[in-house]
Amino acid sequence: SQQGEEDPQALSIQEGENATMNCSYKTSINNLQWYRQNSGRGLVHLILIRSNEREKHSGRLRVTLDTSKKSSSLLITASRAADTASYSCATEDNYGQNFVFGPGTRLSVLP
Amino acid sequence: EAQVTQNPRYLITVTGKKLTVTCSQNMNHEYMSWYRQDPGLGLRQIYYSMNVEVTDKGDVPEGYKVSRKEKRNFPLILESPSPNQTSLYFCASSPAGWNTEAFFGQGTRLTVV
Repeated sequence: SQQGEEDPQALSIQEGENATMNCSYKTSINNLQWYRQNSGRGLVHLILIRSNEREKHSGRLRVTLDTSKKSSSLLITASRAADTASYSCATEDNYGQNFVFGPGTRLSVLP
Repeated sequence: EAQVTQNPRYLITVTGKKLTVTCSQNMNHEYMSWYRQDPGLGLRQIYYSMNVEVTDKGDVPEGYKVSRKEKRNFPLILESPSPNQTSLYFCASSPAGWNTEAFFGQGTRLTVV
């Protein structure tokens, strides 16, 4: 199965700073999704970006997609302590049937 | 409220004692899936279902069974649990597979001793 790989594995920032996380994948995709997971809880969908889109915004979130580099980035602006969570990207598998998740970036926002 | 409900949230059991983790969604989604999450790894898919009576293996199906007799329910069955199945389990649903947003349950933390 194809899998996105997030970078960095962990990130600590101060409240108010911006946080950038990256996701790289191996083969062509139709869409890429970002999810947030608070410790031990279920994942929550953040943004879906399709292969013909380059950038999407949702509140303080900005996602970019570069299909030529097979990579995506998630930017959280003006971070808050409540943004502390793990952030994962999800792509479709090689058969185009399923979600495949990366291990995630653990973001800590310090007050 | 649209949601995916898993039960139980926590379960401690002994090796070999059959158990079932239930999953129910109220959004009329066609696609449902089970994942396990272990430290340092991304979610790994166990089984998925594209619709009623249609199920298929994911990446780590060994030791698990599922059924999809009705659209809203997708139980995960461990016929003979073993300690290596100690994990955090998530059920998810979506309207139409990977091309749409997935909704996750709150998770079931299973310990097999």
